[in-house]
Amino acid sequence: GESVGLHLPTLSVQEGDNSIINCAYSNSASDYFIWYKQESGKGPQFIIDIRSNMDKRQGQRVTVLLNKTVKHLSLQIAATQPGDSAVYFCAEKGSSYKLIFGSGTRLLVRP
Amino acid sequence: DGGITQSPKYLFRKEGQNVTLSCEQNLNHDAMYWYRQDPGQGLRLIYYSQIVNDFQKGDIAEGYSVSREKKESFPLTVTSAQKNPTAFYLCASSNQGTNEKLFFGSGTQLSVL
Repeated sequence: GESVGLHLPTLSVQEGDNSIINCAYSNSASDYFIWYKQESGKGPQFIIDIRSNMDKRQGQRVTVLLNKTVKHLSLQIAATQPGDSAVYFCAEKGSSYKLIFGSGTRLLVRP
Repeated sequence: DGGITQSPKYLFRKEGQNVTLSCEQNLNHDAMYWYRQDPGQGLRLIYYSQIVNDFQKGDIAEGYSVSREKKESFPLTVTSAQKNPTAFYLCASSNQGTNEKLFFGSGTQLSVL
């Protein structure tokens, strides 16, 4: 668990700034997408999900945007806080009926 | 509190030994899953169960076995046939359809002695 996140792309942001984490998915037939946050040594924590009939969905301080034309998903975190530091990964559900997980992006929040 | 409990947090396996990872949920979820997580990689599905007494292989089932005798329990056995068992193992459950909005446990780190 502690070694999760080695060799991951890293996004470094200043505390208080907005963060944008990107995810490219592979299957144009995927109809469900989900974002998770994972802190070191812990299990993934659900953040937000979206279906393919939507382009945008908002939660508390987070927004997910879906661009089906280019098969791109993004997670926006407003007013990033030190507690947001973690690995974030997306997953898609397509024709295989199983969730396919990306490898993740590490978010580092500078004080 | 409702949730998913995995135990133990850390587990060590000797050569040729079978070990069992525990997963219990009190969320009343129908579906349960086991994933394996390796550094720098996405989660890979080992086994999943949509209902009691039924389970299906995921993408990397070789060397693993499961049972689903009770709705709340889905133990995973890592057998001696799994030659590279060192990984972080995650159990999850869901009730919103199958394979959507999974809730995860805190994981078990398995290492080989």
